[in-house]
Amino acid sequence: GEDVEQSLFLSVREGDSSVINCTYTDSSSTYLYWYKQEPGAGLQLLTYIFSNMDMKQDQRLTVLLNKKDKHLSLRIADTQTGDSAIYFCAESTGNTGKLIFGQGTTLQVKP
Amino acid sequence: NAGVMQNPRHLVRRRGQEARLRCSPMKGHSHVYWYRQLPEEGLKFMVYLQKENIIDESGMPKERFSAEFPKEGPSILRIQQVVRGDSAAYFCASSMAGVATGELFFGEGSRLTVL
Repeated sequence: GEDVEQSLFLSVREGDSSVINCTYTDSSSTYLYWYKQEPGAGLQLLTYIFSNMDMKQDQRLTVLLNKKDKHLSLRIADTQTGDSAIYFCAESTGNTGKLIFGQGTTLQVKP
Repeated sequence: NAGVMQNPRHLVRRRGQEARLRCSPMKGHSHVYWYRQLPEEGLKFMVYLQKENIIDESGMPKERFSAEFPKEGPSILRIQQVVRGDSAAYFCASSMAGVATGELFFGEGSRLTVL
């Protein structure tokens, strides 16, 4: 069945780069997403990548996709304390909003 | 342009009562999705609706849960005879079309606590 896995916790120092990893099982995934959730808030779409791409960059964010290994990563350059949040990886396999989410990675940024 | 609006933000119910959660999609969006987030877990898909139609309810529990998206007014997620295991954050998301653009916009969630 479909499954998305993430490591649960990452701690970095302010100014360092953060790399959050995600693996998925469904080879028919068409879109892969990164969402950010701050405490008590909803999910904010950070970026997404089509499955026929292997990299996407947007300001401090870089998404890398290894389709062969079914591995997705999110790199945050120059991490700030405001980046502290839970980051969710998600995939979809069709043209509906039925996303499969990972369990989330809590990013802690130390000053 | 207001985002996805959910209410109530927090709801407390006793076992056996009913919970009604409302979601108004973003302006111009006709597709609504409901997700449930149990404590310290990711979001799980529940149901996908368009106006007056349920498109995919494969994630909905078979009993006590129902959803609608009428022609006029918000989408409603209804939970009858709530139990403690229903305590969770319920998120609504909307999109313009069938996420061909790859984007869902989420509300801030309704947090249900069952005593």
